[in-house]
Amino acid sequence: SAVISQKPSRDICQRGTSLTIQCQVDSQVTMMFWYRQQPGQSLTLIATANQGSEATYESGFVIDKFPISRPNLTFSTLTVSNMSPEDSSIYLCSVVLSGERTDTQYFGPGTRLTVL
Amino acid sequence: SQKIEQNSEALNIQEGKTATLTCNYTNYSPAYLQWYRQDPGRGPVFLLLIRENEKEKRKERLKVTFDTTLKQSLFHITASQPADSATYLCARGSQGNLIFGKGTKLSVKP
Repeated sequence: SAVISQKPSRDICQRGTSLTIQCQVDSQVTMMFWYRQQPGQSLTLIATANQGSEATYESGFVIDKFPISRPNLTFSTLTVSNMSPEDSSIYLCSVVLSGERTDTQYFGPGTRLTVL
Repeated sequence: SQKIEQNSEALNIQEGKTATLTCNYTNYSPAYLQWYRQDPGRGPVFLLLIRENEKEKRKERLKVTFDTTLKQSLFHITASQPADSATYLCARGSQGNLIFGKGTKLSVKP
């Protein structure tokens, strides 16, 4: 199994500012994933972060708004830039570990962001 | 568009009863579906994965079915307990790139 920690666990930010969320995993993984869970909505994949290369963003998400770093195999950051109230959401980090019969996806506890 | 839907936002049941949650999909045929549990303030936790060629899969008090004719997966919790109260999410797609339903919030009353 994987243990994933995220910092901060929650924050309240002002419009126009940026917040960087950190994700730490207790094992080395090739890919790390960032999801968003808006109030009343389903989890949505923002981007996939590979170590040593640029992140791959899903439709509707762009690097300028959500820059991602992946400096090593156990750590990643997601920045929410130039925030607006619409960015208020829970942001979750996730990894996939290979098992004997199948792969299992693990999620961090999430970062609850409120933008005023 | 390819959708995955959990039609019930909330389900309230009495302790000891069987909870049944529904996940429907349209416009595609997923190779497998997954079910996750999410508690408040926490990330989703993987519970079960069922493949399209599997009719049923069990894990302790949990049972998942996959009906490709109805395009539906059912998630059952037998002998439900208040500790089973949580939001349950259905998901399709490949590991990492999962597409989730909105979830069903289950409340088990003592």
